[in-house]
Amino acid sequence: GQQVMQIPQYQHVQEGEDFTTYCNSSTTLSNIQWYKQRPGGHPVFLIQLVKSGEVKKQKRLTFQFGEAKKNSSLHITATQTTDVGTYFCAGPPTSGTYKYIFGTGTRLKVLA
Amino acid sequence: NAGVTQTPKFRVLKTGQSMTLLCAQDMNHEYMYWYRQDPGMGLRLIHYSVGEGTTAKGEVPDGYNVSRLKKQNFLLGLESAAPSQTSVYFCASSYSGQATKTQYFGPGTRLLVL
Repeated sequence: GQQVMQIPQYQHVQEGEDFTTYCNSSTTLSNIQWYKQRPGGHPVFLIQLVKSGEVKKQKRLTFQFGEAKKNSSLHITATQTTDVGTYFCAGPPTSGTYKYIFGTGTRLKVLA
Repeated sequence: NAGVTQTPKFRVLKTGQSMTLLCAQDMNHEYMYWYRQDPGMGLRLIHYSVGEGTTAKGEVPDGYNVSRLKKQNFLLGLESAAPSQTSVYFCASSYSGQATKTQYFGPGTRLLVL
């Protein structure tokens, strides 16, 4: 079955440093979503990418969808303590299906 | 709007007991999902529903059953709980009419099976 891996599993950064998490799927994705989960909380939707090679920005966050639609990345510029949490990617393998497969997640800790 | 609510928030079961987790959403969403979250494994889809009266299997359906008798409710049942079902369970819903299928998650149910 489809597998979605994320690297790294954990990342500790000093406040102000940049951070990147990578998402790799074993199969082509019709779209990809990113979620953030604060410690003890529930996942919260950040963004959805649909087109091959698409890049979207949200303030300090930059999201990219790979040309082959099998990988994606999330880059945070100048991290802040509010960025702490686990970041998940998720995608359905087939267009029109809503069976989202989530990645393993990257837990980010920001040291003040 | 309460969004997505889950009942109960926390439960302890003994092996072999049964229970039902309730998910309710007040956003008139067609799609609803049940996930389980275990350390280091992300979220895994158990079952999902694309409309009232319909359900489908996700990645890890064994040991669970679901029902969607009303559009706003999605029930997850454990007929005979096992320690391997100790996990945090999240319900989510999404709207079919949007191009962006944002999933809105509930606060989660922590289940401990002894």
